[in-house]
Amino acid sequence: NAGVMQNPRHLVRRRGQEARLRCSPMKGHSHVYWYRQLPEEGLKFMVYLQKENIIDESGMPKERFSAEFPKEGPSILRIQQVVRGDSAAYFCASSRGSETQYFGPGTRLLVL
Amino acid sequence: KQEVTQIPAALSVPEGENLVLNCSFTDSAIYNLQWFRQDPGKGLTSLLLIQSSQREQTSGRLNASLDKSSGRSTLYIAASQPGDSATYLCAVQTQGGSEKLVFGKGMKLTVNP
Repeated sequence: NAGVMQNPRHLVRRRGQEARLRCSPMKGHSHVYWYRQLPEEGLKFMVYLQKENIIDESGMPKERFSAEFPKEGPSILRIQQVVRGDSAAYFCASSRGSETQYFGPGTRLLVL
Repeated sequence: KQEVTQIPAALSVPEGENLVLNCSFTDSAIYNLQWFRQDPGKGLTSLLLIQSSQREQTSGRLNASLDKSSGRSTLYIAASQPGDSATYLCAVQTQGGSEKLVFGKGMKLTVNP
């Protein structure tokens, strides 16, 4: 049973470009969570999704960030017009709900 | 607003010591508490999950306890080994908090051979 998969593992973008981060949850998991880890800081919750629904986006920046979890395919975290402050590790986790969250290896975004 | 604190931020010990890692949280209305391990440049590995109705959980050399009323958890590592060197993160899931985890900043552990 494959774990949570994220790609790409490393992503380099120039300021103003778009970044698209993908997350495939573990088999049988319908709950997906995105977290961001800024340098020298702890992980911060961004958004919680179930299939085709955003349940809680209280941790998402109001502008430039969006997330989706379509009926088919992976969950996508999109960052438009990236800035240097977006450089961070972005982690996806999945669960069956109210249980252990299993984390992916993360995508490390570097904005030049 | 739930806040999770881990003190100290770093710890360096010789191999073989028994260790106690501390975690405190401000809102005792939690569903569960999880301890994770993170290796440099890697993702998070779940070590132990304690439900709010439980007092402790054990896995191998690891034992985690929970005192919900005082807002504290400890992770006990017996007979530490160099391979235990990593950052240890504590996270809570708060009631009414939509299943999101609130993390502490972690404690970086170095076990010296």
